Amino acid sequence: NAGVTQTPKFQVLKTGQSMTLQCAQDMNHEYMSWYRQDPGMGLRLIHYSVGAGITDQGEVPNGYNVSRSTTEDFPLRLLSAAPSQTSVYFCASSYSGTEPYEQYFGPGTRLTVT
Amino acid sequence: QQQVKQSPQSLIVQKGGIPIINCAYENTAFDYFPWYQQFPGKGPALLIAIRPDVSEKKEGRFTISFNKSAKQFSLHIMDSQPGDSATYFCAASSLPGKLIFGQGTTLQVKP
Repeated sequence: NAGVTQTPKFQVLKTGQSMTLQCAQDMNHEYMSWYRQDPGMGLRLIHYSVGAGITDQGEVPNGYNVSRSTTEDFPLRLLSAAPSQTSVYFCASSYSGTEPYEQYFGPGTRLTVT
Repeated sequence: QQQVKQSPQSLIVQKGGIPIINCAYENTAFDYFPWYQQFPGKGPALLIAIRPDVSEKKEGRFTISFNKSAKQFSLHIMDSQPGDSATYFCAASSLPGKLIFGQGTTLQVKP
């Protein structure tokens, strides 16, 4: 198993550009989430999904869109990037079987918006 | 509004010491409390977690103490080693996939 994979690892955008951060998992996990990490603020939940076709907002959803068409993939879209979205983005997943709360994190995407 | 408050922000201990990191929460619907360890440039990794029906849980050198009435929980690292130097996050959850994190504690263990 590759676990949770994220692409790209690094990205620089100009203000107003759009892009999609990719997240995939090969563990057949139902639950998937996106977090952003900023210095001194810990990780904050952007959006999460409890299964294919079902998504909901987290703590800081503004400026981000998600969809979940398959169990494996959970892309995060920035429609019009802003400097305030400069951050490290982490995707995570968990399984409804043994311990559904136990989330496994990907390696992260470092995004800079100029 | 920070739902999970973590302290201290940073901590320096000598090798063999017992660093203690504290967290407090407000939402009584939380029923899962994990601690994550993160090394620079890596994603967080689950260290240990506890449910509110127990007051303490040990896994190796890591112990969680949980006080439901005070809505507080803490992480103790026994016999700390330089390799434990990392950032530690507490979190709380009431729904799978929906972790609310504390602000993080940067731990340095000096040789």
